[in-house]
Amino acid sequence: NAGVTQTPKFRVLKTGQSMTLLCAQDMNHEYMYWYRQDPGMGLRLIHYSVGEGTTAKGEVPDGYNVSRLKKQNFLLGLESAAPSQTSVYFCASSFDYEQYFGPGTRLTVT
Amino acid sequence: AQRVTQPEKLLSVFKGAPVELKCNYSYSGSPELFWYVQYSRQRLQLLLRHISRESIKGFTADLNKGETSFHLKKPFAQEEDSAMYYCALSAAMDTGRRALTFGSGTRLQVQP
Repeated sequence: NAGVTQTPKFRVLKTGQSMTLLCAQDMNHEYMYWYRQDPGMGLRLIHYSVGEGTTAKGEVPDGYNVSRLKKQNFLLGLESAAPSQTSVYFCASSFDYEQYFGPGTRLTVT
Repeated sequence: AQRVTQPEKLLSVFKGAPVELKCNYSYSGSPELFWYVQYSRQRLQLLLRHISRESIKGFTADLNKGETSFHLKKPFAQEEDSAMYYCALSAAMDTGRRALTFGSGTRLQVQP
């Protein structure tokens, strides 16, 4: 039982490049979330999903897209990366009130 | 919009001393509050939830609606309590689903 896994762990992008971050969970959770964490700002919600095939915007959705084609996976896409998207990205999943977090992906955009 | 404030970036205490990590919130609805903790090289995990009113690892937190606070307390700090602590507020989103708003976190250092 791996819980929540994130791929990749680290990535460096040049401005304008695109990439997809993958989040997978093996707990059969309905709800999944993507957060970003910046120094001194805590975690901020980017997008979330309440079930397979559904997604919704969080607090800071601009510049990101998401998809939840399978219940266990939640993908976060950056179509044209910008230096402002340099951050640590966390995925989480939940059944009810408790969220289970992945280990994070450190993304640097130069 | 909801907001969670943790005024201290760093709190350093000696082993055996009392600890209080401050958290204040603003939210127009009925608040549901949590403390999450991240130990070194570990994932963020739930420590406690205000509704359960439990003591976890010796920590307690009481929701004070009058002061809009949810401070985390422990009477005698241990070195293994050293970690990053986040206060979080569960608030309703447009979809009706509740989502977490996090504070900026407080790093607790317990010195021997």
